[in-house]
Amino acid sequence: QKEVEQNSGPLSVPEGAIASLNCTYSDRVSQSFFWYRQYSGKSPELIMSIYSNGDKEDGRFTAQLNKASQYVSLLIRDSQPSDSATYLCAVALRGSGGYQKVTFGTGTKLQVIP
Amino acid sequence: GAVVSQHPSRVICKSGTSVKIECRSLDFQATTMFWYRQFPKKSLMLMATSNEGSKATYEQGVEKDKFLINHASLTLSTLTVTSAHPEDSSFYICSASLSTGTKTQYFGPGTRLLVL
Repeated sequence: QKEVEQNSGPLSVPEGAIASLNCTYSDRVSQSFFWYRQYSGKSPELIMSIYSNGDKEDGRFTAQLNKASQYVSLLIRDSQPSDSATYLCAVALRGSGGYQKVTFGTGTKLQVIP
Repeated sequence: GAVVSQHPSRVICKSGTSVKIECRSLDFQATTMFWYRQFPKKSLMLMATSNEGSKATYEQGVEKDKFLINHASLTLSTLTVTSAHPEDSSFYICSASLSTGTKTQYFGPGTRLLVL
C-alpha cells in the first residue's frame, strides 16, 4: 500500500466550477499535511498546509483534513484555466534526528476547461 | 519569505564528467535540505535528506558515492553528480525546511540536467 495515494487524473472541470482533489494516507501518526501545485516543467509550489481536523480556507482554496478517516482534500472554487496543473499531496512525519520526513503522492493532474 | 534558489537552472554535460548543483535558502536558515529527482511525467522521488553539519541520509536505491551531498552551512547544500551518464539526465529539485516552526518544505526552481 502506498503511503500517500492520489488519483492521477486527469480531473477535468469547467471554468468557474469547484475542483475537488483528494488524498489518503496510511500512517495514522502523520502530523502535517500540505498541498503543492506543480506546473509542467516547474518545481512544486506550496499552496496550503493544514495540521488539525477541519477546514482551512485561503482565498479560493480550502483544505480539509479528517485524521480519523486519514483523508485530506483540496477544494478550488471558481476554477480558472491558470489552475491547470498537477497537485501534489504531501504528508509529514517526524523522523529520526528531529527532521520531518515528507512523503509525496504521485499527484493529480487538473485540467480547467475554458 | 522562504525563497530557495538553485544554480544552475540548466546544464548539459558530457558522459563521464561531474556536475555540481547548488541549493541556497535566501532568506531563512535551513537545518534540513532535501534533494529530489523527477523524470518526465513522473512523481517526485526523494533522493536524500541533508542535515547541516552531518552526513546525508540517502533513500534506498540511491548511490551515495554517485550523488555526493554536502550541507556545509545553514543556507547552502550541494549535490554533485559524479561520472554522469545519460540515464542521470533528469530534473533535480532541492527543498529547504525552516529550522523552526512547522518545518514546511520550500522548493527551489529545479535544475535540468542533460548528459550527452
